[in-house]
Amino acid sequence: EVQLLESGGGLVQPGGSLRLSCAASGFTFINYAMTWVRQAPGKGLEWVSTISGGGGTSTYYRDSVTGRFTISRDNSKNTLYLQMNSLRAEDTAIYYCAKGGGGGPFDPWGQGTLVTVSS
Amino acid sequence: EIVLTQSPDFQSVTPKEKVTITCRASQTIGSSLHWYQQKPDQSPKLLIKYASQSFSGVPSRFSGSGSGTDFTLTINSLEAEDAATYYCHQSSILPWTFGQGTKVEIK
Repeated sequence: EVQLLESGGGLVQPGGSLRLSCAASGFTFINYAMTWVRQAPGKGLEWVSTISGGGGTSTYYRDSVTGRFTISRDNSKNTLYLQMNSLRAEDTAIYYCAKGGGGGPFDPWGQGTLVTVSS
Repeated sequence: EIVLTQSPDFQSVTPKEKVTITCRASQTIGSSLHWYQQKPDQSPKLLIKYASQSFSGVPSRFSGSGSGTDFTLTINSLEAEDAATYYCHQSSILPWTFGQGTKVEIK
């Protein structure tokens, strides 16, 4: 069974940093693109970032996080990361990791981790 | 950026009724359109991929159609467990985008 388990969320002050992790199991992690999607409280889904699979390291970001967020992966640990710097109040959201993003659907999704940016 | 516009935003439906949700793309995306269901306090789950392909384990009452710019998700004979918010998502051109969501409530 494919499973994705996020961790690392929490309360952080504006301007602070957090690193999210997503532990993957049940599939050949290195072969697949991986993606972060976020959902602000009571709002819809918003794509954040994708990293390529197949051993590649191409990365893609939405404009509002470019230069502040960095997506990466450790294929030896089957883990996806999102380093988030210079956090803003508008980054407050549940962050989901999802398998896919290389031009197809996202499936499955993890349970999400809540990031709250507030003083 | 491709904008996906869903309609309606909200629908209140009685059990066994048919539900139709539309998703319109701001430019053509072929069949690179996927549908998700999100129940309260849960993560989204894939329902339909590539506009009309059923996904494993999804009840047959869910179906999708369309191509180009206009797409439809249909729920035949709605059940109480289908109360959720439904999202479309395009994977044709970066940045990947989602529709704003359609909330389906059971009367």
